[in-house]
Amino acid sequence: TQLLEQSPQFLSIQEGENLTVYCNSSSVFSSLQWYRQEPGEGPVLLVTVVTGGEVKKLKRLTFQFGDARKDSSLHITAAQPGDTGLYLCAGREETSYDKVIFGPGTSLSVIP
Amino acid sequence: NAGVTQTPKFRILKIGQSMTLQCTQDMNHNYMYWYRQDPGMGLKLIYYSVGAGITDKGEVPNGYNVSRSTTEDFPLRLELAAPSQTSVYFCASGSGEAFFGQGTRLTVV
Repeated sequence: TQLLEQSPQFLSIQEGENLTVYCNSSSVFSSLQWYRQEPGEGPVLLVTVVTGGEVKKLKRLTFQFGDARKDSSLHITAAQPGDTGLYLCAGREETSYDKVIFGPGTSLSVIP
Repeated sequence: NAGVTQTPKFRILKIGQSMTLQCTQDMNHNYMYWYRQDPGMGLKLIYYSVGAGITDKGEVPNGYNVSRSTTEDFPLRLELAAPSQTSVYFCASGSGEAFFGQGTRLTVV
């Protein structure tokens, strides 16, 4: 069973479109992170959210942490081909703080 | 800045062989992690360490062993390689933000 679920698994959109990726769990997380991974590389951190309801923006990317700290979303406005990659959410469970668990990822392809 | 360094980058093993994947970090992080990533999938936690001398199992520890004798080094040992261990292995360090190495691509034939 997957502690962290992500949806959709795959997403292919045209340049300029908006999209939202979701990360869900039945567990409460003390913090949640979003990473982007490009082929042949390790994941690179985009953002960390720690407070329920928190919203963070990184240029065209908006991240939100759910009020109950069990879910998160990543919204990309006006997607660009450079946004193509695997988006991974990862979290520290409140009851198992030392472990950082990853979701299965959302593979995004932005077509020019 | 070296960050997290993994060696080797690529390796082919025969079934039953053993090997050690090396991981070194120069950021003085207490937390270190080993993950495996199968094609098109996310990362699965194999083992982690919260400091020198302390290690613990992650989600998929079977078939692997680790040690943490120093803050800098966190090697991952495969004793009897099996085809199911064909994967890309990532080492990471950090407590808040995780910094990843470039990965080791392992094929067991």
